[in-house]
Amino acid sequence: DIQMTQTPSSMPASLGERVTISCRASQGISNYLNWYQQKPDGTIKPLIYYTSNLQSGVPSRFSGSGSGTDYSLTISSLEPEDFAMYYCQQYDSSPPTFGAGTKLELK
Amino acid sequence: QVQLQQSGAELVKPGSSVKISCKASGYTFTSYDMHWIKQQPGNGLEWIGWIYPGNGNTKYNQKFNGKATLTADKSSSTAYMQLSSLTSEDSAVYFCARYEFGVLDYWGQGVMVTVSS
Repeated sequence: DIQMTQTPSSMPASLGERVTISCRASQGISNYLNWYQQKPDGTIKPLIYYTSNLQSGVPSRFSGSGSGTDYSLTISSLEPEDFAMYYCQQYDSSPPTFGAGTKLELK
Repeated sequence: QVQLQQSGAELVKPGSSVKISCKASGYTFTSYDMHWIKQQPGNGLEWIGWIYPGNGNTKYNQKFNGKATLTADKSSSTAYMQLSSLTSEDSAVYFCARYEFGVLDYWGQGVMVTVSS
């Protein structure tokens, strides 16, 4: 199985700050990389698909980039509703695997 | 609007089985794969498998072969996952999620399964 290593595991940040979360795959995944957000109430929604494509309805302050084994999610200016857990997920090979998550916390 | 409504929390005994449901609405149930994902506290997300309700085809993460069985009822637009021979390692929140073009685009609210005597 492809291992997905997400860093950092937690990140204190302030409103309006720009933050970047990283995700490294144990082998190349050809940009087959998604990002998901999980709110404190447990609800999960997709943010970015195929590395850099914004899911419908997701604010433009979210962006994704990367290639090969290294990918990142950037939030350009943090809003109160962005404090949540974030997971990367590869779907290049089966089984699809997720990173361990990054908890974005209010500083 | 697309909605996936999952069944309620379960408290079950070790060695028993449990069947949880995921009722879909707002789209054509038979046209999209339904995936299932496990989340244990502090352990992130783990993919269990998927079912295509249109024909009942399934695919499982090898780790869950023999543990999880996925089925779907087209008449009620409901997907099911049965977990068998339960142990404490099966205590988790289980999500269903619709799949389209590589993305799990809609998720259920999750079902907490607690295995305890």
